[in-house]
Amino acid sequence: ETGVTQSPTHLIKTRGQQVTLRCSSQSGHNTVSWYQQALGQGPQFIFQYYREEENGRGNFPPRFSGLQFPNYSSELNVNALELDDSALYLCASSTGGQVNTGELFFGEGSRLTVL
Amino acid sequence: QKEVEQDPGPLSVPEGAIVSLNCTYSNSAFQYFMWYRQYSRKGPELLMYTYSSGNKEDGRFTAQVDKSSKYISLFIRDSQPSDSATYLCARNSQGGSEKLVFGKGTKLTVNP
Repeated sequence: ETGVTQSPTHLIKTRGQQVTLRCSSQSGHNTVSWYQQALGQGPQFIFQYYREEENGRGNFPPRFSGLQFPNYSSELNVNALELDDSALYLCASSTGGQVNTGELFFGEGSRLTVL
Repeated sequence: QKEVEQDPGPLSVPEGAIVSLNCTYSNSAFQYFMWYRQYSRKGPELLMYTYSSGNKEDGRFTAQVDKSSKYISLFIRDSQPSDSATYLCARNSQGGSEKLVFGKGTKLTVNP
């Protein structure tokens, strides 16, 4: 098991609400990436944080935002929830220096259901 | 056109079979290709990565990249029930970010 922990594991929200998901990265890792995995799909890159700054963003609207804290933990915030936001949200940490090998350490994810 | 195409299966094989999982990609500019394994209700874990073309072997697993045909393969020898999972192929991005582009994943079941 990786040292990446995510909370909450499951949550249910209604359309229009806001949600905050949390991630603690593996010890020694300074880079956190967030991915969205819809049912039956592969993970899609949302954004990455390196040393508390956003460092790359995928094709997601501004209502998806994030933060990284000095201890390298991270939050993903989604405003104005839509039904299509229902998915497994995965946090992955890495050292930043192993970028090209694609070695990310994923948490078990937060499963969000939007009704 | 999706950047990484992967047949979602499902694929069901008997224990001991050789499994072949495949992906195609559209942009030949990228160099690193990975295979992740995802058990049910878990996050993906990196199995192997390969650089450019060629083969890479790790125990019962062999990853192969053919850049001329833009084809990525993962072979599993002597498959075991514990190999039952979804297998995701991925490639890295230019610029060195941790942005990986994943295929849809192939769900594999190995029957005892």
